[in-house]
Amino acid sequence: EAQVTQNPRYLITVTGKKLTVTCSQNMNHEYMSWYRQDPGLGLRQIYYSMNVEVTDKGDVPEGYKVSRKEKRNFPLILESPSPNQTSLYFCASSFGGQETQYFGPGTRLLVL
Amino acid sequence: LAKTTQPISMDSYEGQEVNITCSHNNIATNDYITWYQQFPSQGPRFIIQGYKTKVTNEVASLFIPADRKSSTLSLPRVSLSDTAVYYCLARRALTFGSGTRLQVQP
Repeated sequence: EAQVTQNPRYLITVTGKKLTVTCSQNMNHEYMSWYRQDPGLGLRQIYYSMNVEVTDKGDVPEGYKVSRKEKRNFPLILESPSPNQTSLYFCASSFGGQETQYFGPGTRLLVL
Repeated sequence: LAKTTQPISMDSYEGQEVNITCSHNNIATNDYITWYQQFPSQGPRFIIQGYKTKVTNEVASLFIPADRKSSTLSLPRVSLSDTAVYYCLARRALTFGSGTRLQVQP
């Protein structure tokens, strides 16, 4: 089944404790991206990747890192999480930037 | 980047046709217009995409005038399960914005 998976689905952590949210897709998509969703602000893009080893900042990249060492995986790294990064995070993938994006189920993060 | 503007919310009743209009005045020549649907706590789901004139699929229709500065998503005969947030995007999906919250009443 074609899908985008994210892990974990729910995470509670404390300020400053490094964490990684994984994202994997099995559709051989070149384009992958991370979004955060906050009430009243819609979905805002954090980082995106056009292909392996090619990443770029989205609208709200501060406090986040990404890597794209393999085509199927695009982990989101929070080196030192803060409470303002409490949010719902979505990973998405597509064949290209203009193509239909397929979204993962979301990761709900709470930073205390 | 082509910024899009759409109504914050809309209300409708079951069985009615719903039209949601999105404006994208700065759309570039090679930009497509894409609409997504999102239910609470789920990722957005693709509904329809078009470049100009009219596109129809089993779920919706998309109308794009010749100047391409706006587009209208048409949902025929909505049901309660169509209650969701609808996003319009032009160009690469960098920012979804706040979307249009559609509430369908019985």
